[in-house]
Amino acid sequence: QVQLVQSGAEVKKPGSSVQVSCRASGDSFRNFAISWVRQAPGQGFEWMGGIIPMFGRTNYAQKFQGRLTITADESTSTLYMELNSLRSEDTAVYYCATNLAYNWFDPWGQGTLVTVSS
Amino acid sequence: EVVMTQSPATLSVSPGERATLSCRASQSIRNNLAWYQQKPGQAPRLLLFGTSTRATGIPARFSGSGSGTEFTLAISSLQSEDFAVYYCQQYNDWPRTFGQGTKVEIK
Repeated sequence: QVQLVQSGAEVKKPGSSVQVSCRASGDSFRNFAISWVRQAPGQGFEWMGGIIPMFGRTNYAQKFQGRLTITADESTSTLYMELNSLRSEDTAVYYCATNLAYNWFDPWGQGTLVTVSS
Repeated sequence: EVVMTQSPATLSVSPGERATLSCRASQSIRNNLAWYQQKPGQAPRLLLFGTSTRATGIPARFSGSGSGTEFTLAISSLQSEDFAVYYCQQYNDWPRTFGQGTKVEIK
């Protein structure tokens, strides 16, 4: 099974960008879709988008179109999520998660807290 | 987008009792529903997919039912490790959406 390990917490200013990484080990991550899902403090989950590394094909939620970029580096089995034009509402824990055919999410990375504050 | 509504928001249950959690979709999602468990400070853990298929390692006391717009997660005899927040998620339509969660707390 794939294991996912994410980069550490970030503190960013409004209007800036953040990049969070997610390194996969175990089974080949090329064969799955890997999505980014966020959870604002005390809130539920929001699917942001994903990528199938084998094809390099991305799929973004309309809400994040133009502001979100998801990429994959197959040489290091690492996924990247970059979110631009940050605002306070983007403060959340960001998770990467494997999902076969973009269905259910399993397993999840440990999460990365991104705090947007002036 | 498909709105997922969970009820109740909080469920108080004694250890050993049965818990029943509900999840309603704003439109039919057939049986394309998953359930997750989340404990404080942890990532979610997949419990069920396809409405009723248990994920690897999930005990048989967790069961799911429903189709279309109404779904249920049942925990037959609550253990101490089951007190957590439970989320449903649909994967029938884009974007994938989650319910707001039901917190199962010790009565």
